Amino acid sequence: DVKVTQSSRYLVKRTGEKVFLECVQDMDHENMFWYRQDPGLGLRLIYFSYDVKMKEKGDIPEGYSVSREKKERFSLILESASTNQTSMYLCASSLVGLADSYEQYFGPGTRLTVT
Amino acid sequence: TQLLEQSPQFLSIQEGENLTVYCNSSSVFSSLQWYRQEPGEGPVLLVTVVTGGEVKKLKRLTFQFGDARKDSSLHITAAQPGDTGLYLCAGARTYKYIFGTGTRLKVLA
Repeated sequence: DVKVTQSSRYLVKRTGEKVFLECVQDMDHENMFWYRQDPGLGLRLIYFSYDVKMKEKGDIPEGYSVSREKKERFSLILESASTNQTSMYLCASSLVGLADSYEQYFGPGTRLTVT
Repeated sequence: TQLLEQSPQFLSIQEGENLTVYCNSSSVFSSLQWYRQEPGEGPVLLVTVVTGGEVKKLKRLTFQFGDARKDSSLHITAAQPGDTGLYLCAGARTYKYIFGTGTRLKVLA
């Protein structure tokens, strides 16, 4: 059974803190993604990675960075958390290829609250 | 700019009713996916449609991709409480998907 796990289901951080969100997949997928999900806005892509140490900016990368040192692990970093980064964060993975050739598998999400 | 608009945003219906959810864009997509997300979980893929005009059926769910590949619809026949969830469409753009705004469906027993 395919699995994408995220390090925390709920997280509360203070403004200005550095925040790490971890994602691990056990499917040997090349692609990994970080999205944030907000009501009425759907899922918006923050960053994606198509190989170890490779990354591409998504639609809303400002205030975020990522790290992919191993194939199975993709980390999202909030360098200095702000209240407008309060959101649900979803990690996903997929096989490599053009978008219309793959299925994304999602983790359960991390609900981050920044106070 | 939101490229994929879904309607309605919210829908509450009685068990046994039929419903249609729409996903519209001014952009052309090479394919389109529909996901369902239940509370506390990530989205799960329901279907991928690739060809303009394509219709796919998954039990009581019927998915259609518009002829011009700019829009799609999801029709549910005889809805059941188990259909409750957030439905998301996603259009393929090169190496990534653009997600729609979502339709939150609640089916009352």
